[in-house]
Formats: sequence, C-alpha cells, structure tokens
Amino acid sequence: DVKVTQSSRYLVKRTGEKVFLECVQDMDHENMFWYRQDPGLGLRLIYFSYDVKMKEKGDIPEGYSVSREKKERFSLILESASTNQTSMYLCASSLSDVRTEAFFGQGTRLTVV
Amino acid sequence: AQSVAQPEDQVNVAEGNPLTVKCTYSVSGNPYLFWYVQYPNRGLQFLLKYITGDNLVKGSYGFEAEFNKSQTSFHLKKPSALVSDSALYFCAVRDNAGNMLTFGGGTRLMVKP
Repeated sequence: DVKVTQSSRYLVKRTGEKVFLECVQDMDHENMFWYRQDPGLGLRLIYFSYDVKMKEKGDIPEGYSVSREKKERFSLILESASTNQTSMYLCASSLSDVRTEAFFGQGTRLTVV
Repeated sequence: AQSVAQPEDQVNVAEGNPLTVKCTYSVSGNPYLFWYVQYPNRGLQFLLKYITGDNLVKGSYGFEAEFNKSQTSFHLKKPSALVSDSALYFCAVRDNAGNMLTFGGGTRLMVKP
C-alpha cells in the first residue's frame, strides 16, 4: 500500500523559531509537494520538487524554504515562524507522469504562538 | 496559469437523494482532472480522475464525474447520497505542460438523515 508519512500530526512552536516539517514517501515518486490548507482558501501550493535537489516555487513560497536531499524525503522549513503561518500543512507525492494522481500524507497541524 | 473554481462552499443534500458538487477549470492545454475527499483531521484521498476518453468517469465509493470540455467543467456526482459521504471535496487540475497540481477552494458536503 502506498504511503506518505509526515513526521508530526500536531506541532506547537513559538514565534521566531526555525521549524522543520518532514515528509517521507515509499513509492519511489519523482514529484513531491507541500501545500498549506486554510479554511475558505483550499489548498495552496508552497513548493514543488520534481527531482532530488530540484525545486520550484508555488503560489505562496514567502517565509518558507524546502530541502530534498534524497528522493524519498522532502522537508519544509519555516525560517522564522510567525503566527500567520499557523495552518494545516499537507505533503503529497506523485509520479512524473502528469496523468497520475498524487498521494497525500495525513497532515501536520502547526500552531505558532 | 491554471486554475480551479468550486463555486459552492457547501452543498446540503438529504440521504438517498442524488448529489452534485461543481467544479470548473482553466488550463492552457489538455486538462487532467482529479477529485479528492478529505475527512476531518485527515489528508486527502483520491476519488477519481479524467485523463482522456469517456466523459463519464467512475471512481471510489459510488462516485462519478462528468467531464464537459465546452463548459470546462468536471462535476462530481453520486446517484444516492449517504450520511457517511459528508466530508470536504476538492477538485484539482494538471495540464500536459507541467507537473503542478492546482486545487480548488473545496466544497463541504453535508448529507442529512
């Protein structure tokens, strides 16, 4: 069974902290995504990676960075957490074939206080 | 740039009645369209997709979706709603030019007994 695993379900961090959200997939997928989900705004793409060490900015990259050193792992980094980054973060992966669906992790609910 | 619109924030339907959740899209090339469902505090689960061919696509849990190229729509349907179908539904699109997966704002489906 396919699996995308996010390291934490719930996180509480303080303003100004550096925060790491980790995502691992076991399907040998080329593509990995980080989305942010907020009520009324749907899913907004933060960053996308199509290969190791390769990345593209999504719709809302400001305040975030990413790292993909290995194919199976894609990390989202909040350089200096702020309260407006309190949200649900979803990781996903897919094959490079654009006709294929993406698979999602269970989500990390981050609260910045 | 590609985009997806889900014009209804919420759809209410009685159990046993047919349901429709609307989605319209905009892409520059051929569209690849997806529906996902999200249950509370969970990640997204894939329901169905349109790639090519028959305009009526069947998916999981008795859901189907109708692709209409002239209206650029991909509405999700089910002949007989269940209370357990109550969830948040997302429509998404990719085009054949890239790997970005763009989501709509989501529609909350409420099925009442």
